[in-house]
Amino acid sequence: EVQLQESGPGLVKPSQSLSLTCSVTGYSITSNYWGWIRKFPGNKMECMGYISYSGSTSYNPSLKSRISITRDTSKNQFCLQLNSVTSEDTATYYCARYGGNYFYFDYWGQGVMVTVSS
Amino acid sequence: DTVLTQSPALAVSPGERVSISCRASEGVNSYMHWYQQKPGQQPKLLIYKASNLASGVPARFSGSGSGTDFTLTIYPVEADDTATYFCQQSWNDPPLTFGSGTKLEIK
Repeated sequence: EVQLQESGPGLVKPSQSLSLTCSVTGYSITSNYWGWIRKFPGNKMECMGYISYSGSTSYNPSLKSRISITRDTSKNQFCLQLNSVTSEDTATYYCARYGGNYFYFDYWGQGVMVTVSS
Repeated sequence: DTVLTQSPALAVSPGERVSISCRASEGVNSYMHWYQQKPGQQPKLLIYKASNLASGVPARFSGSGSGTDFTLTIYPVEADDTATYFCQQSWNDPPLTFGSGTKLEIK
């Protein structure tokens, strides 16, 4: 069974970098696409970007200058780094697998709540 | 970005039929997908590409639509269907976008 698990600090100071890791079991990240989605207080959800089976990346243009998604295939993990965070980056962060050819999300991690505060 | 508009909330009784709508600001072909999210849980895929039932999802859930107007239908509704339902489009990317969610209450 495919399982994803996010890990990382729950509290980040403004202007610092947010770093999260998604550990995947039951499936290789060298197949499919793998992404990060966040849900803000109040329900708004935002697709942040993805890393492909080959290691190529695509980012939401609204984040393009601050975001980086990388991977470690030896650990079957992929990572999110978001720089220069503000309180507006406070959200629950999910990692997920893109299913099929139609770019929906068929497997999700449980999510990690990240608060940006001094 | 493609904006997806959903009604904020609906309330229905068990056994009834409920239709949850999602309207896109521009055409998305049939690349619309639906998720269910219960409090404290991650979203769960229900329907992909407008009308295809995801694995393990009960046949009480169905989807329809193309272009800009889409509907998720649940019939018959059960008490366990209390959740927030999100639509997501993947035709106009980047970025993929989500609707704001419809909170379904079972009376």
